[in-house]
Amino acid sequence: SQKIEQNSEALNIQEGKTATLTCNYTNYSPAYLQWYRQDPGRGPVFLLLIRENEKEKRKERLKVTFDTTLKQSLFHITASQPADSATYLCALEGTGANNLFFGTGTRLTVIP
Amino acid sequence: DAGVIQSPRHEVTEMGQEVTLRCKPISGHNSLFWYRQTMMRGLELLIYFNNNVPIDDSGMPEDRFSAKMPNASFSTLKIQPSEPRDSAVYFCASSMTTVTYEQYFGPGTRLTVT
Repeated sequence: SQKIEQNSEALNIQEGKTATLTCNYTNYSPAYLQWYRQDPGRGPVFLLLIRENEKEKRKERLKVTFDTTLKQSLFHITASQPADSATYLCALEGTGANNLFFGTGTRLTVIP
Repeated sequence: DAGVIQSPRHEVTEMGQEVTLRCKPISGHNSLFWYRQTMMRGLELLIYFNNNVPIDDSGMPEDRFSAKMPNASFSTLKIQPSEPRDSAVYFCASSMTTVTYEQYFGPGTRLTVT
């Protein structure tokens, strides 16, 4: 069955640095991958979607890469700010094409 | 649009009682998803609907769980009878999957079963 791993439960980083989060998956070849942000007490919020034929996607200070050979996605936040502190979830296309499988998330803390 | 609406936001009940969680998806969205989130297991898909029809309920943990979507603007998730291990945050999400696969989540219902 599909397995999704996000590299670490928690990541602390100094303000202004680039945060890099990793999502690895096995036993699967999804057509797309998504990243979500979740703040405490709230539902996840969609950030970016990248398709299997796209190597990289950017949105403001966010960048996502998708390596289907390594079965890995990297999520970068450049010039990180304390407001970026949250849990970030990666999600892969599910078997039904419309549903998603979520990783357990990485809790990012940006230290001023 | 108000976004996905869930009620109640918090529910505390005793073991054995019936619990009903409600969800109103974003108007015009054709897919609706129910998730459960716990510290141990993360965010798990329970069931999803396309055009009000249940497509995959393989994530529903037991027969105690049931979900309905009588129309495009309303869905319920029912647990009967509830057990302490059902304590979790339950999220509803909706999507317009003919256009995009991004999902819009509600604020969640925090369920505590004592």
